[in-house]
Amino acid sequence: GNSVTQMEGPVTLSEEAFLTINCTYTATGYPSLFWYVQYPGEGLQLLLKATKADDKGSNKGFEATYRKETTSFHLEKGSVQVSDSAVYFCALSPDDKVIFGPGTSLSVIP
Amino acid sequence: DSGVTQTPKHLITATGQRVTLRCSPRSGDLSVYWYQQSLDQGLQFLIQYYNGEERAKGNILERFSAQQFPDLHSELNLSSLELGDSALYFCASSEGQAFYNSPLHFGNGTRLTVT
Repeated sequence: GNSVTQMEGPVTLSEEAFLTINCTYTATGYPSLFWYVQYPGEGLQLLLKATKADDKGSNKGFEATYRKETTSFHLEKGSVQVSDSAVYFCALSPDDKVIFGPGTSLSVIP
Repeated sequence: DSGVTQTPKHLITATGQRVTLRCSPRSGDLSVYWYQQSLDQGLQFLIQYYNGEERAKGNILERFSAQQFPDLHSELNLSSLELGDSALYFCASSEGQAFYNSPLHFGNGTRLTVT
């Protein structure tokens, strides 16, 4: 079946630290991959996406590369800010449905 | 602002009761999705409508039902409520039928508390 696994949180980093949130998936075919972010008290927002192997999605300093050989889509940012504190969800869409991972909570401290 | 409006923001009710959650999608979006978010279950897909018709069904209980009206707004009806139904309920909308080519835009959710 289709599934998404994310590293467990919470993750706590100091401002300007390097961020990696791991995401691996199991899917049939060639799914599109997404990262969504949920800020406190809000709904999810699309952060970035990649629709085929080796595509790199990027937005607001965040990047993730679609790695078919390792079935991964790890989220990275070179220098996090306090305002990046949120919950990050990896998601995949193998067909007309979407499957979200459990989410990883990130706290960035000054 | 995602353009998706959900009402009410908070709802407190008793077990056994019935409630209706409402969602207005982003202008131009034809698909509406309902999700339930709880601490133990994470984000669970409930149901999707496209242009008034049911398109996909997820982990939606028989006590729950939804519909999408001609003006494209949607309502999620929850009946015979149990304590375990307490959660955040999100509505999302997208332009197309398929999520992979039409990202979702989420509302801010309705927090349901069943006492």
